[in-house]
Amino acid sequence: DVKVTQSSRYLVKRTGEKVFLECVQDMDHENMFWYRQDPGLGLRLIYFSYDVKMKEKGDIPEGYSVSREKKERFSLILESASTNQTSMYLCASLKAEKYEKLFFGSGTQLSVL
Amino acid sequence: AQKVTQAQTEISVVEKEDVTLDCVYETRDTTYYLFWYKQPPSGELVFLIRRNSFDEQNEISGRYSWNFQKSTSSFNFTITASQVVDSAVYFCALRTYNFNKFYFGSGTKLNVKP
Repeated sequence: DVKVTQSSRYLVKRTGEKVFLECVQDMDHENMFWYRQDPGLGLRLIYFSYDVKMKEKGDIPEGYSVSREKKERFSLILESASTNQTSMYLCASLKAEKYEKLFFGSGTQLSVL
Repeated sequence: AQKVTQAQTEISVVEKEDVTLDCVYETRDTTYYLFWYKQPPSGELVFLIRRNSFDEQNEISGRYSWNFQKSTSSFNFTITASQVVDSAVYFCALRTYNFNKFYFGSGTKLNVKP
């Protein structure tokens, strides 16, 4: 079975902390994504990567950065966590072909206190 | 600009009722793909179906069916004889041909009561 694994299901951090969310996929997919899910707002794209060391901003990149040093791993970094970054974070991966679908991880519920 | 609208925020039905989840999309692209995903309480979004813009055939899979109408830019999802296990948040999404970005609706939370 194909798999996208997010390192933590629940995470509690303090304001100002640097936070790393890790995502690993075992499908050799070229593209990886970080979404944020908030009630009533659906999924909003934070960053995506179409290749190793390549990244592009999504719709809400402010306050976040990403790292993709290896094809299978895509990390989301909150440089200085704030309470408005409390949310569910979803990682997804996608094969390069046009018709393909996203595969999702099970999400990380981050609470910033 | 691309946009997906799911106007129904939350729907509650009693088991065995039929229920339709609405999805309306906007795009100027002629080639695009539409998707439905299910998000159960466990959190992981599970793929249900995809449709490309050239294929307007409706599809049925067991109790699930999808109605794609380009004339109204809609891709609605019907669950027949709903079950408690259908309780989840359902997302409709649009992907255009030239980009790897997916545009998601805000989701519809379906509650199926026994």
